[in-house]
Amino acid sequence: DVKVTQSSRYLVKRTGEKVFLECVQDMDHENMFWYRQDPGLGLRLIYFSYDVKMKEKGDIPEGYSVSREKKERFSLILESASTNQTSMYLCASSPTGVPREQYFGPGTRLTVT
Amino acid sequence: SQQGEEDPQALSIQEGENATMNCSYKTSINNLQWYRQNSGRGLVHLILIRSNEREKHSGRLRVTLDTSKKSSSLLITASRAADTASYFCATDINTDKLIFGTGTRLQVFP
Repeated sequence: DVKVTQSSRYLVKRTGEKVFLECVQDMDHENMFWYRQDPGLGLRLIYFSYDVKMKEKGDIPEGYSVSREKKERFSLILESASTNQTSMYLCASSPTGVPREQYFGPGTRLTVT
Repeated sequence: SQQGEEDPQALSIQEGENATMNCSYKTSINNLQWYRQNSGRGLVHLILIRSNEREKHSGRLRVTLDTSKKSSSLLITASRAADTASYFCATDINTDKLIFGTGTRLQVFP
C-alpha cells in the first residue's frame, strides 16, 4: 500500500515564525503536491514538484516555498507565518502519466496565532 | 482555478437510502476521479472514470459521466453511517495535476 506521511497532525505557531511541513512518500512517485484546504474553498494547490529539485507554482504560492532534495520528501516552508495561513495542509503524491490517481497524507492542521 | 463544482454542498439522508452527488466541470478532461475525505483526514481515491466511459461501478458506488454536459454523478446505494464524509470530484485535464471541486458533505443518520 502506498503510504504518504506528514510530520505533524497538529501544529501551533506564532506570527512571524518560520514553519516547516514535511511530507514523505514510500512509493517512488515522481509527483508530489502541497494543497491547503479551507471551508467552502475546497483544495487549492500551493506547489507541485515533478522531480527532484523541480517545482512549479500552483494557484496560491504566495507566502510559501518548497524544497525537494530527495525523491521521497517534499517540504513546504512558510517563511514568516501569518494568521491567514491558518489552515489544513494536505500533501499528496502520484506517479507520472495516466491515470494520475493521487495518494494523500493525513493532513496537518496548522494554527498561526 | 476551480474546475469542478459539486452539487449539493451538503446532503443528509437516513441509512439505507441512496445518496447522489453531482459534479460539473468546464473544460475537456482526460478522466474524472472521485475522492472521499473523512473529517479532519486526508483524501482517499474512490473511483476513476475515463472520458470515453459513460458508467462505472465499484461495490456500492456508481459513477456516470456525460462529457456533452460536462458533468458526472456519484451514487452511493444503501448508504451506511460509515459513509458520512465529504466527497470531491477531481478532473484530469492531461497535465500531471488534478483540479478538485469544493466537495459535498454527506451525513448519513443511523
